[in-house]
Amino acid sequence: NAGVTQTPKFRVLKTGQSMTLLCAQDMNHEYMYWYRQDPGMGLRLIHYSVGEGTTAKGEVPDGYNVSRLKKQNFLLGLESAAPSQTSVYFCASSYSEAGYTFGSGTRLTVV
Amino acid sequence: AQSVTQLDSHVSVSEGTPVLLRCNYSSSYSPSLFWYVQHPNKGLQLLLKYTSAATLVKGINGFEAEFKKSETSFHLTKPSAHMSDAAEYFCVAPPISSGSARQLTFGSGTQLTVLP
Repeated sequence: NAGVTQTPKFRVLKTGQSMTLLCAQDMNHEYMYWYRQDPGMGLRLIHYSVGEGTTAKGEVPDGYNVSRLKKQNFLLGLESAAPSQTSVYFCASSYSEAGYTFGSGTRLTVV
Repeated sequence: AQSVTQLDSHVSVSEGTPVLLRCNYSSSYSPSLFWYVQHPNKGLQLLLKYTSAATLVKGINGFEAEFKKSETSFHLTKPSAHMSDAAEYFCVAPPISSGSARQLTFGSGTQLTVLP
């Protein structure tokens, strides 16, 4: 099935641990995004990519790094997790402003 | 700059009654606008989009929205609510096509509860 796949779906981390979230899309989209969703705040953009090998900072990039080594994959890394990074993380991809597809999310808890 | 404001954080309706979810926008130009729905533990699904072709936009599952420039509004409506409509709804503006900014502007969301 065409779409955006995120792994893992759930994760619990201890403060200071690191992890990588994987996003994969099979629609040949150029643009990919990582958002975090917190109660009452909608979705906020962490980082995005406009093509293979490119990345850029969004609204809330601190504490996160990303890589886009292959067009279909966009990785989000947390080098040293903090409780403030407890959130639901969504990956999205698009071919234009009118064509965003979202993944089903990763629920991350940092204790 | 642009912003999107959803006027209600929670809306409750009875099954079979009309739904109205309100969204106002602020932009220095005539924007495109979307409505997305998010069911529990799911990603966001596009309901409908306005791209200046027609002010009344019909979407999936019987939803529609009307773009009113004079009121800077893009309210989402449905004539008759169904239990499966219970979800969170987001009014969203796409990125301004200038520079390298690619950020969607999200409203804070409206949680719709449908009562039996």
